[in-house]
Amino acid sequence: EADIYQTPRYLVIGTGKKITLECSQTMGHDKMYWYQQDPGMELHLIHYSYGVNSTEKGDLSSESTVSRIRTEHFPLTLESARPSHTSQYLCASSDRQGEDNQPQHFGDGTRLSIL
Amino acid sequence: KNQVEQSPQSLIILEGKNCTLQCNYTVSPFSNLRWYKQDTGRGPVSLTIMTFSENTKSNGRYTATLDADTKQSSLHITASQLSDSASYICVVSDRGSTLGRLYFGRGTQLTVWP
Repeated sequence: EADIYQTPRYLVIGTGKKITLECSQTMGHDKMYWYQQDPGMELHLIHYSYGVNSTEKGDLSSESTVSRIRTEHFPLTLESARPSHTSQYLCASSDRQGEDNQPQHFGDGTRLSIL
Repeated sequence: KNQVEQSPQSLIILEGKNCTLQCNYTVSPFSNLRWYKQDTGRGPVSLTIMTFSENTKSNGRYTATLDADTKQSSLHITASQLSDSASYICVVSDRGSTLGRLYFGRGTQLTVWP
């Protein structure tokens, strides 16, 4: 079993609030990712990181930001939540050894609802 | 345009039966193809990863095949169980960047009935 944890699992919050979604992994993986997933739709990459102090934007335009101060921790922050941010957010990590042929290990996600 | 298309969108089978899920892709250049299982309310879990040189790979009752010439893959599930009810996602990686960009399908929703 992969050891990657996301908190909270569910969050219902009002418009305009600042939100931080937490993601931690205990596998020592260098690569970490944030995806957004809506029901019946494909995962969309919103941020990724190759290692400490490395962060990049993904394909999906997002008003969120991320930080990578420690290898094991990759939080995602929404400065001002809007109803359009309602979605499921999945965090993943992968080992840099073997690069592209390594599987991604996913957390169980945070289901976010903005009222 | 790089795409991954999965069929059928949804499938219902009886417990104990076999089934095959399809994945067609247009991603180029090709690095590898992955199948993930995603239970409701959970994150995806890797089932198989196949590179260009591999045309079949098994993981228990799951067998994935790859035809890199026709850009098609299938996931065959043998002797289905109730716990196989999930979404099965096909993911293709290219070699166009150091990240190995991943292209996700929308998944096939499998329901196994007793």
